[in-house]
Order: sequence, then C-alpha cells, then structure tokens
Amino acid sequence: EAGVAQSPRYKIIEKRQSVAFWCNPISGHATLYWYQQILGQGPKLLIQFQNNGVVDDSQLPKDRFSAERLKGVDSTLKIQPAKLEDSAVYLCASSLASGGGQPQHFGDGTRLSIL
Amino acid sequence: GNSVTQMEGPVTLSEEAFLTINCTYTATGYPSLFWYVQYPGEGLQLLLKATKADDKGSNKGFEATYRKETTSFHLEKGSVQVSDSAVYFCALSEGQAGTALIFGKGTTLSVSS
Repeated sequence: EAGVAQSPRYKIIEKRQSVAFWCNPISGHATLYWYQQILGQGPKLLIQFQNNGVVDDSQLPKDRFSAERLKGVDSTLKIQPAKLEDSAVYLCASSLASGGGQPQHFGDGTRLSIL
Repeated sequence: GNSVTQMEGPVTLSEEAFLTINCTYTATGYPSLFWYVQYPGEGLQLLLKATKADDKGSNKGFEATYRKETTSFHLEKGSVQVSDSAVYFCALSEGQAGTALIFGKGTTLSVSS
C-alpha cells in the first residue's frame, strides 16, 4: 500500500511571501490531518478533515493559514504571508476514520525555512 | 486541557542495555495511547498503541502498558540495538470524533556499539 505522499520535501522562502504544501493520503482514508512540528517539539494539530469537511481547525492561525481538501482526497495547506515563526516541518497524516484508537499514517513532511 | 509529558533527552545507551522512556498524560476522558518513532531522515511511524486501561502494546521488542492509576504509558525494551537510535514520541487521542493526536516533545535515543 502506498503511503502518504507530500511535496515539496523542502522549501525556503522569505518572510511575507506565500507558500503551499500538497498532500495525497492513503487511498480510502477518510480522515486527513495537517500538523506543524517546530524544532525540538512534538507535532501540533493545525486542521483535521473528515472527507472534504473540516472537523477541527481551532488551532489554525486563520489570518495567514488556509487549507482545503477538494473532493475528499488530496489536500493543500497555504501560508500567506509567512512569518519567521512559521519555520517548521509540516506533516500530513491520514487514517481510515477519526475514532480515537485509529492509527494515523504520516508522510515524510515538508521542511519550511523562512529567511 | 489534555497533555503528554515525556522524559527529557537525549538518552544515550550502549547496545544491549535496558531502555525506559517515561511518559505520563493528562486527559479528561479515556484516551487511546500511542508511541510513534521517527528514524533519522524518515517520517513518523506508529510503534505501538493501547486503547484501554491495562492493555499492553508491543512491537519490535518494545512494550508499553496503559496504567490508568498512574496515568502513564512508559516505553521499555530489554535490549536496545544501534538501529533503535531515533526520536520517540508519546501521544494520546481522546477517542471522540474530531480529536487528533496530542504529542509529547519527543525523546532522542542514541545507542552506541
């Protein structure tokens, strides 16, 4: 089974620029998550989708971050404009359902550096 | 709110030593508990999980027991190998729809031969 695919692997931009990340979850996985992992910390949820609907975006900085999951499959996460504090690894994960015992499968992440 | 606390790293061990990485949690309900591992240059992988009190998760020689009375889920391995060098994350999920994983800060394990 193919894993969660993310692109790009690395991105370097200047502050105030915009950037977008792409995620393709495991086939058949209804639930998709975006996490932000700052160096030295554990991942923190940004947004959770169930099919193409948003379940939880309470920790998403909506003044600069946006995400969508059209057709309930692929997803994109956008930052506009970027700040220095957005330097982090952005992880996408998917699971079959959103129940608490469901394991989440992670992509390799996109490492974002803001200059 | 819900949270996970892991022991600070790095943990440095010799090959075949015994490993314990402590993890405690705070949750309002009855969470599921997980250990994820991140090998150098790779993504997060599920190592093991437990979904109710007294359950023991195990995989690749690693074990962790869900202790509700002490709100703990400590990771153990009897004999570590160099290939176990990685960052280990303890995490919980509340078990309700719409609740994602809450992670600890991670513990770096370095095993030398």
